[in-house]
Amino acid sequence: TQLLEQSPQFLSIQEGENLTVYCNSSSVFSSLQWYRQEPGEGPVLLVTVVTGGEVKKLKRLTFQFGDARKDSSLHITAAQPGDTGLYLCAVQKSNSNSGYALNFGKGTSLLVTP
Amino acid sequence: NAGVTQTPKFQVLKTGQSMTLQCAQDMNHEYMSWYRQDPGMGLRLIHYSVGAGITDQGEVPNGYNVSRSTTEDFPLRLLSAAPSQTSVYFCASSLGRGSLNTEAFFGQGTRLTVV
Repeated sequence: TQLLEQSPQFLSIQEGENLTVYCNSSSVFSSLQWYRQEPGEGPVLLVTVVTGGEVKKLKRLTFQFGDARKDSSLHITAAQPGDTGLYLCAVQKSNSNSGYALNFGKGTSLLVTP
Repeated sequence: NAGVTQTPKFQVLKTGQSMTLQCAQDMNHEYMSWYRQDPGMGLRLIHYSVGAGITDQGEVPNGYNVSRSTTEDFPLRLLSAAPSQTSVYFCASSLGRGSLNTEAFFGQGTRLTVV
């Protein structure tokens, strides 16, 4: 059973469109992270959300943590080709022995065409 | 700033061969880990280390060994390569226990093909 379910799996849009991707779970988390991975590169952290209902903005990207801290969304306004990549949500594993190991969703692959 | 450095970037192995994927970080991070990324499977944890001399298994450890003799280095060894180990491997590091900052820094990955 996948701990984090991301949707949609793939998204292809034109430059200037808005989009929202989702990260859902039935579990409650103390925090949730969003990473972006560009082709041929490792994931890079975009944001960490900690408080239920929290909204964080990073230029044209808006991240929200659900009130119950079980889900999160990422909204991109006026998408640009530079936004193309794989968007991953991640949470820390619940087993304290694994320290800071992350559990990742399978990601949303976004393609923005000019 | 080097961050997390992985070598090699690409490797082709024959079934049964062994090799070591290198990972080094220069941020004095306590925590290091190895993931593999496969299409449709996401990133899966292979092994991790919470400090020098301490390692443990992740969710897909079979066929891999690790050691952590220094804070900086965390090599991943494939003992006898199998086609099922064809994947992209990522090493990551983070500050570790006692830090509120849980950001993981990733290397650029090693693309491994086993034929």
